Amino acid sequence: GAGVSQSPRYKVTKRGQDVALRCDPISGHVSLYWYRQALGQGPEFLTYFNYEAQQDKSGLPNDRFSAERPEGSISTLTIQRTEQRDSAMYRCASSQPREGSEQYFGPGTRLTVT
Amino acid sequence: AQSVTQLDSQVPVFEEAPVELRCNYSSSVSVYLFWYVQYPNQGLQLLLKYLSGSTLVKGINGFEAEFNKSQTSFHLRKPSVHISDTAEYFCAVSGTGGDDKIIFGKGTRLHILP
Repeated sequence: GAGVSQSPRYKVTKRGQDVALRCDPISGHVSLYWYRQALGQGPEFLTYFNYEAQQDKSGLPNDRFSAERPEGSISTLTIQRTEQRDSAMYRCASSQPREGSEQYFGPGTRLTVT
Repeated sequence: AQSVTQLDSQVPVFEEAPVELRCNYSSSVSVYLFWYVQYPNQGLQLLLKYLSGSTLVKGINGFEAEFNKSQTSFHLRKPSVHISDTAEYFCAVSGTGGDDKIIFGKGTRLHILP
């Protein structure tokens, strides 16, 4: 079946604009995760959901970042009033809810703030 | 909270030679351990994971890793590398208490020399 998809794949925006990044998980996967990956670094945890409930948002850098998953499937990560330091690859992953389950990663959205 | 240290940012190795990529972790609770691989211009893919049981874990593409609790290590090994193994390798850890948040290391870039 289809893997995790993310859109857009590339986004260039001007400083101060809001952006919305979309993640479509593997069908039937209950858990959905958002990560941010800077160049030359490992993925950094942002937040995750089980179904529509946001379980942990401790990795969101500040209140400009928010995420939702209203129907327990597609998720949107929103960054308000973007800043240049927000430029990074944003990755989404999904998994079954069992402990230690493999997380399947999407291709990522490359965000560039100019 | 957990943390992961990958001591080597880059490892050059000749084709058909053995390789070991080092990973150490820190945690106050029991952990699950993972190695993910990221091929050039692709997303992350699970290589192998340790959940419990045998401390020697075998993964895809001939890789294996050994969990050493006393040394808090989870080093990745392959007896003979191929040019196709050129990629970035990430060690990761999560707690076992139902918290599915995965903490990644900064990654080790494996360069295969002809």
